[in-house]
Amino acid sequence: QSALTQPPSVSGFPGQSVTISCTGTRVDIGNYNRVSWYQQSPGTAPKLIIYGVKNRPSGVPDRFSGSKSGNTASLTISGLQAEDEADYYCSSYTSGNTLAVFGGGTKLTVL
Amino acid sequence: QVHLQESGPGLVEPSQTLSLTCTVSGGSISSDNYYWSWIRQPAGKRPEWIGRIYTGESESTSYSPSLRSRVTISADRSKNQFSLRLTSVAATDTAVYYCVTYNWRDYYFQSWGQGTLVTVSS
Repeated sequence: QSALTQPPSVSGFPGQSVTISCTGTRVDIGNYNRVSWYQQSPGTAPKLIIYGVKNRPSGVPDRFSGSKSGNTASLTISGLQAEDEADYYCSSYTSGNTLAVFGGGTKLTVL
Repeated sequence: QVHLQESGPGLVEPSQTLSLTCTVSGGSISSDNYYWSWIRQPAGKRPEWIGRIYTGESESTSYSPSLRSRVTISADRSKNQFSLRLTSVAATDTAVYYCVTYNWRDYYFQSWGQGTLVTVSS
């Protein structure tokens, strides 16, 4: 199964919005609304922030939102805060023998 | 919320077997709500799903095709633990290994252990 493609880095000033894309294929993102996003700070485990393309677990601020169009999913972070600086990974269910595939990660820098 | 904690050697020699255990608290490993999974992440790289075990009414396992020939995941219900065994390791198996619950109804990795670094080196 192929991995998902994310931009290596994005940046923004506090208060601004940034969007991180995650491109897959018709065997994963394109065929299922089963995309999740994870936030990972240095030295810590990934933390779920979006599941099912656009659903937020309890405790995740509504500044985080998800969407999907075709084979590409997106994570938008509005009202950037310094604490949002982290690596972000997308993941998708995929047909075949692998439970899930991950993106290469995007490093968010808050300027 | 289920809490997960990995344990095992931090250093394994090449060609030997990597063995890790995940201790589950705050929930039963016999729950049918989750797949009990292992994920690894080499430094600076993406997470990689290794495999999972389901311990609901019947037990089943599934592994990454790229690792299937070397991986075994098992569960010990009496200890509320599940384990990973990876044989014939090489330097490329050096990574932080996480035990993780996978919500199979909604398709996402829900709770993660803190992770344990395993280095393959002589």
